Amino acid sequence: AQSVTQLDSQVPVFEEAPVELRCNYSSSVSVYLFWYVQYPNQGLQLLLKYLSGSTLVKGINGFEAEFNKSQTSFHLRKPSVHISDTAEYFCAVIKAAGNKLTFGGGTRVLVKP
Amino acid sequence: EPEVTQTPSHQVTQMGQEVILRCVPISNHLYFYWYRQILGQKVEFLVSFYNNEISEKSEIFDDQFSVERPDGSNFTLKIRSTKLEDSAMYFCASSAPYEQYFGPGTRLTVT
Repeated sequence: AQSVTQLDSQVPVFEEAPVELRCNYSSSVSVYLFWYVQYPNQGLQLLLKYLSGSTLVKGINGFEAEFNKSQTSFHLRKPSVHISDTAEYFCAVIKAAGNKLTFGGGTRVLVKP
Repeated sequence: EPEVTQTPSHQVTQMGQEVILRCVPISNHLYFYWYRQILGQKVEFLVSFYNNEISEKSEIFDDQFSVERPDGSNFTLKIRSTKLEDSAMYFCASSAPYEQYFGPGTRLTVT
């Protein structure tokens, strides 16, 4: 079975500062990795994904993430955040041959002016 | 841009009542899912559906739950006899096949 750990439950950050959200996973088989964002009172929106190829993936809204197989990590970064990035961010994995997403506990990002 | 839609956005029901949550997946997607998120907890997988049958289900998805694709567009989750602990946000998702796109959710409150 897969598991996902998001080490930070909350990350306060000032506007225009960089942010990194940490995600570690464990799995005995190959996985695909995703980051989703949930804005207040909305559903889950796909930010970016890693299926194969380059380990640095770019997503929407200026976010990027790097897959590190040896460290089983998929950390999400943004060099300069906006107030509108205030949301909860979820890391998720799926077995390469499966279809069930396993989510981390989420990281709440609060961007302060 | 195509999106997954869900109705209703909020459902309040009494314990023991049946509820049906409805979803319209993205039209060319072949895989459909239900997840739920109890307040303050992780998003949890309930069930996946492909080719008109359940392809995988979690331990949560017991005999009280059922899913159906009654026509070419809708995908429903039925909870036969709701319990207080079924109160949660229920998300529908669809994919073709790996990138899952989620609907806005239905908040179910069981009183």
